Amino acid sequence: GENVEQHPSTLSVQEGDSAVIKCTYSDSASNYFPWYKQELGKRPQLIIDIRSNVGEKKDQRIAVTLNKTAKHFSLHITETQPEDSAVYFCAVSYLDYGGSQGNLIFGKGTKLSVKP
Amino acid sequence: EAGVTQSPTHLIKTRGQQATLRCSPISGHTSVYWYQQALGLGLQFLLWYDEGEERNRGNFPPRFSGRQFPNYSSELNVNALELEDSALYLCATTRLAGYEQYFGPGTRLTVT
Repeated sequence: GENVEQHPSTLSVQEGDSAVIKCTYSDSASNYFPWYKQELGKRPQLIIDIRSNVGEKKDQRIAVTLNKTAKHFSLHITETQPEDSAVYFCAVSYLDYGGSQGNLIFGKGTKLSVKP
Repeated sequence: EAGVTQSPTHLIKTRGQQATLRCSPISGHTSVYWYQQALGLGLQFLLWYDEGEERNRGNFPPRFSGRQFPNYSSELNVNALELEDSALYLCATTRLAGYEQYFGPGTRLTVT
């Protein structure tokens, strides 16, 4: 089955610096790669996602890059702010031709701390 | 639009008992996914229901089971509870042919 590895497990940055979190996956059939943010005591929330026909996607300070050949994808957060502090999870899934999604397989998470 | 809801918020059970957790999807959502979030282990996929049928299950023993009702709500049942079943149980839902999963707030299950 699919296996997702996420690094680093913890990341501490100064406010204004950039943060990068990387994930690798094993199943080349996987074609959907979302990132979730989970603040303490709250539910995971989707912050950005990418499908395998795209190499990069950006949304304001957040970007995701995908290398299908190497089977890895990364989350980039620029100009970090204290409110970015949370646990970030990468995930992998397979979308069928109708766009319906199978279950997500998650990485173990990265605890990001942004120091003011 | 109301979000995904789960009940109860907290559940305390004794080893060997059974637990039932419930999930109500966003209106128009037809698929329900269950995940276990144990401390330090991230989110692990449990079960996926779509149109009333079980589509896939994760690497969990058969004492984890569930069902989906005609109104698309879902129930997760855990039989013969063990101490290591203590975790946050999250459900997520998607609309028909959708791919973004929306999570509920979770049920914190504690087994003593």
